[in-house]
Amino acid sequence: DTAVSQTPKYLVTQMGNDKSIKCEQNLGHDTMYWYKQDSKKFLKIMFSYNNKELIINETVPNRFSPKSPDKAHLNLHINSLELGDSAVYFCASSHYQGQAGGSGANVLTFGAGSRLTVL
Amino acid sequence: SQKIEQNSEALNIQEGKTATLTCNYTNYSPAYLQWYRQDPGRGPVFLLLIRENEKEKRKERLKVTFDTTLKQSLFHITASQPADSATYLCALSQGGKLIFGQGTELSVKP
Repeated sequence: DTAVSQTPKYLVTQMGNDKSIKCEQNLGHDTMYWYKQDSKKFLKIMFSYNNKELIINETVPNRFSPKSPDKAHLNLHINSLELGDSAVYFCASSHYQGQAGGSGANVLTFGAGSRLTVL
Repeated sequence: SQKIEQNSEALNIQEGKTATLTCNYTNYSPAYLQWYRQDPGRGPVFLLLIRENEKEKRKERLKVTFDTTLKQSLFHITASQPADSATYLCALSQGGKLIFGQGTELSVKP
């Protein structure tokens, strides 16, 4: 059983189109994330949800809209795709340890990634 | 500005040697630091976590050190094997987020 699964694995589309990536985790985690990895391999956090509530929203264009129907699912919808959106998008999950870091630690389990190519 | 820097050049070593990877950071005060391994076409996989009050952590052939004065973590793989070839990412905690470095690609030659 895959712990964090994303679909689709590959997505090739034209500029201006709208697309979605879906993510599901079966680890019982309460927090889920979207990260973007660009061609230089930098992994940048985009969003985080805890129990369906948005808790992290980095400076991301509002063409990107995450949705979490329940704590096991987190989807990412992208409107009006641009060339610069081409990247690998990773979903991840963890147990929530609080935004102050606390005494716990957010250890992330990642999905295999969804490679988006915008032509 | 805040930065996390890892060796940008690939590290090539001979099988059996110790690989040492560096992670330096500026203008962060992380409560903990993590190391992940990423293979081509896959997501990062968690390896080790070290907290700010810990100097060193070990797991099998892996060792991590954390120096909050130098703002540096070192990641060691002893008795390296070709199967250790991958990209290794450091990540530090900041305000509930995990911030990643750009990774160092390690290649272990037989």
